[in-house]
Amino acid sequence: EVQLVESGGVLIQPGGSLRLSCAASGFSFSGYPMHWVRQAPGRGLECVSAISGNGGDTYYADSVRGRFTISRDNFRNTLYLQMGSLSVEDTAVYYCAREQVGDLDSWGHGTLVTVSS
Amino acid sequence: DVVMTQSPLSLPVTLGQPASISCRSSQSLVFSDGNIYLNWFQQRPGQSPRRLIYKVSIRDSGVPDRFSGSGSDTDFTLRISRVEAEDVGVYYCMQGSKWTWTFGQGTKVEIK
Repeated sequence: EVQLVESGGVLIQPGGSLRLSCAASGFSFSGYPMHWVRQAPGRGLECVSAISGNGGDTYYADSVRGRFTISRDNFRNTLYLQMGSLSVEDTAVYYCAREQVGDLDSWGHGTLVTVSS
Repeated sequence: DVVMTQSPLSLPVTLGQPASISCRSSQSLVFSDGNIYLNWFQQRPGQSPRRLIYKVSIRDSGVPDRFSGSGSDTDFTLRISRVEAEDVGVYYCMQGSKWTWTFGQGTKVEIK
């Protein structure tokens, strides 16, 4: 069974930095691109970043490019999102999701990041 | 970015009655491999999104056959043939043909 478990979400002040993790199990992690998708409170879904299976290719939404860095450790079966220069607009539940070409077939339960002073 | 526009945004439905959600994209979603990566997700209250349909019309395993997807190019539809109480939630379309992948605003399905 595919399992994705996010962690690292906290209450943090504007301007701060944070690293989210997503522990994957139940599938061959290195064989799949992975994504981070966020959902602001009471709002819709936004694709934030993606990374290829071997980590060689990364993609970012304009809203986070230059501030966030996606990475993965295929030995530890873990996906990361390093977040910097955080603002209140980054407050959201952050989900990691597995990509099947052109779609996201498995999602974690999410981790809440709250940016507030 | 490709803009995905859903309608309606709120859909009150009587149990046992059909429901239909429209999703329109601002650009063609035909990918270079000829596929259309248009997907539908269900998000029940308090849960993470769950994929229902991918590549326009392919139902995920375990998804009841009362759910169906159709469409082409820029115009897509999710249909529920007979709404059940467990179908309450928000439904999102998402395009995976062009980065940045984008979602529709979501359609809230509720029981009248």
